Amino acid sequence: QSALTQPASVSGSPGQSITISCTGTSSDVGGYNYVSWYQQHPGKAPKLMIYDVSNRPSGVSNRFSGSKSGNTASLTISGLQADDEADYYCSSYTNSNTRVFGGGTKLTVL
Amino acid sequence: EVQLVESGGGLVQPGGSLRLSCAASGFTFSSYWMHWVRQAPGKGLVWVSHINSDGSITTYADSVKGRFTISRDNAKNTMYLQMNSLGVEDTAVYYCARDQWYAYWGQGTLVTVSS
Repeated sequence: QSALTQPASVSGSPGQSITISCTGTSSDVGGYNYVSWYQQHPGKAPKLMIYDVSNRPSGVSNRFSGSKSGNTASLTISGLQADDEADYYCSSYTNSNTRVFGGGTKLTVL
Repeated sequence: EVQLVESGGGLVQPGGSLRLSCAASGFTFSSYWMHWVRQAPGKGLVWVSHINSDGSITTYADSVKGRFTISRDNAKNTMYLQMNSLGVEDTAVYYCARDQWYAYWGQGTLVTVSS
């Protein structure tokens, strides 16, 4: 049950686009289309941003999008805004019927 | 409105036990899988356990297997996490979350294991 691999930090200026990667294995990310992404502001509970690789829950801005290629999933945020500054986590279902999270990525909006 | 409210956290000595609760409202609790996720101070999210809608299927992370027990009472719309043999490494905020997408989360309850 090793954590999925995410970059520790990414940054971008307002209006720009950034992409956060999430690398796993064929036993998790690569094997299932059950990758989700969560946004967490300091001191708050996580919020679902993307589910099943590329689906957005109702109420989530279309500036957030998800994709997957092989064992790596990605979250792209376009038109960066100050409020996007937060920690982002990916998660995947695994072949052991468990779930695994990434280590988290701190997004800084410059 | 969907609400999940965790309770039962607190300070416990190493080797001790604690039972967390997650009270659900605003949806048909008995229809959903439920999960526990924890977050150590300053660290990332870690999946702990999940339970299916009728309580017949439970799964645990290796780090808690044999020490933690997840359960639910659908009549009370409540999920539980019985934590035994606690170690300092179990210190974390414990969140409950709903369904396979973790679409809803509680506010978390802090468990501190320290002597």
